[in-house]
Amino acid sequence: AQSVTQPDIHITVSEGASLELRCNYSYGATPYLFWYVQSPGQGLQLLLKYFSGDTLVQGIKGFEAEFKRSQSSFNLRKPSVHWSDAAEYFCASKGNTDKLIFGTGTRLQVFP
Amino acid sequence: EPEVTQTPSHQVTQMGQEVILRCVPISNHLYFYWYRQILGQKVEFLVSFYNNEISEKSEIFDDQFSVERPDGSNFTLKIRSTKLEDSAMYFCASSANSGSYNEQFFGPGTRLTVL
Repeated sequence: AQSVTQPDIHITVSEGASLELRCNYSYGATPYLFWYVQSPGQGLQLLLKYFSGDTLVQGIKGFEAEFKRSQSSFNLRKPSVHWSDAAEYFCASKGNTDKLIFGTGTRLQVFP
Repeated sequence: EPEVTQTPSHQVTQMGQEVILRCVPISNHLYFYWYRQILGQKVEFLVSFYNNEISEKSEIFDDQFSVERPDGSNFTLKIRSTKLEDSAMYFCASSANSGSYNEQFFGPGTRLTVL
């Protein structure tokens, strides 16, 4: 069955530090992959997506993610974190239907 | 920028009551979805809807749930007889297309509290 795993429940970084949020997927074929961000009291905002082609995808707010088929991973990265990046981050995958399968999320805390 | 809107932002109801959660998808989108997020848990798919029909539904989406597009702009989720375990944040989403390049845009959610 299709699934998404986010191993880190909570991550704390200092402002200006680099960030990597992990995501692993399980699917028989190449899935379509997404990262969403949820700020407190807000809905889910799409940061970036991978459908095919270049395995390094750029998103909004300075985020990028790299699809690695050999590791079944789609990790989210940002070279320098800002305090406003504090939020919950969800990795999601989609197979051959439109149903999104979400991971459990990673809560990012940023210290000044 | 077009966005998905949802009303109300917070709904409190008594167990056994019917609730209707409302969504206005992005105007040129044709595919509509409901997801829910129980507090502290992952976001879960409930149902997808296209051309006035359910395209896919999860095992959560039982006979207590129904969806409707009553007019050209609204998309609703009805829970006929709410249970305590229906307390969750309910997200509506819409997309312009289906299949490979499907990108779903989410609303801010309705927090449903069942007492």
